[in-house]
Amino acid sequence: GENVEQHPSTLSVQEGDSAVIKCTYSDSASNYFPWYKQELGKRPQLIIDIRSNVGEKKDQRIAVTLNKTAKHFSLHITETQPEDSAVYFCAASIPGNQFYFGTGTSLTVIP
Amino acid sequence: NAGVTQTPKFQVLKTGQSMTLQCAQDMNHNSMYWYRQDPGMGLRLIYYSASEGTTDKGEVPNGYNVSRLNKREFSLRLESAAPSQTSVYFCASSKKPGNTIYFGEGSWLTVV
Repeated sequence: GENVEQHPSTLSVQEGDSAVIKCTYSDSASNYFPWYKQELGKRPQLIIDIRSNVGEKKDQRIAVTLNKTAKHFSLHITETQPEDSAVYFCAASIPGNQFYFGTGTSLTVIP
Repeated sequence: NAGVTQTPKFQVLKTGQSMTLQCAQDMNHNSMYWYRQDPGMGLRLIYYSASEGTTDKGEVPNGYNVSRLNKREFSLRLESAAPSQTSVYFCASSKKPGNTIYFGEGSWLTVV
């Protein structure tokens, strides 16, 4: 099956700086790559996603990039704010199959 | 529109006891999932149901059983709870396998 690796496991940035979280996947058949944000004690919630026919997608301060050749995708958060502090999970899915999640990145934004 | 609802939210069990976690979705989704979340381990799939009438094992099915009662409901049963099953359990659903997953609020289970 698919194997998703996520780095780093923890990340601290100063408020206003950018944060980048990277994931790699193993199965070239994967075509959907969502990112979830999980605040402490809450459920994971979808923040952005990208499909394999697109190289980049932006939504205000967050963006995701996908490199199909290298089998990696990244989450970029610009102008970070304290409310961005959370655990972020990447995932990959093969059409008609289950999701495979990364192990998560704990992001701390220092005011 | 409640989305995915799971109960109970908190439960303490003694080793060897049994219990069932209930999950229901009102989004008319075909696929439903049970995940467990442990520190540093991310979200691991226990069982899933791609469509009503089907269930399949995920990554960590041992010690669990599931029932897809109807299109809306998918329950997770622990027959004989063990301390290793102390975890946060999330139910989730999607329109079909591989589509965006929506999570319930989670169930915190402690086995002593």
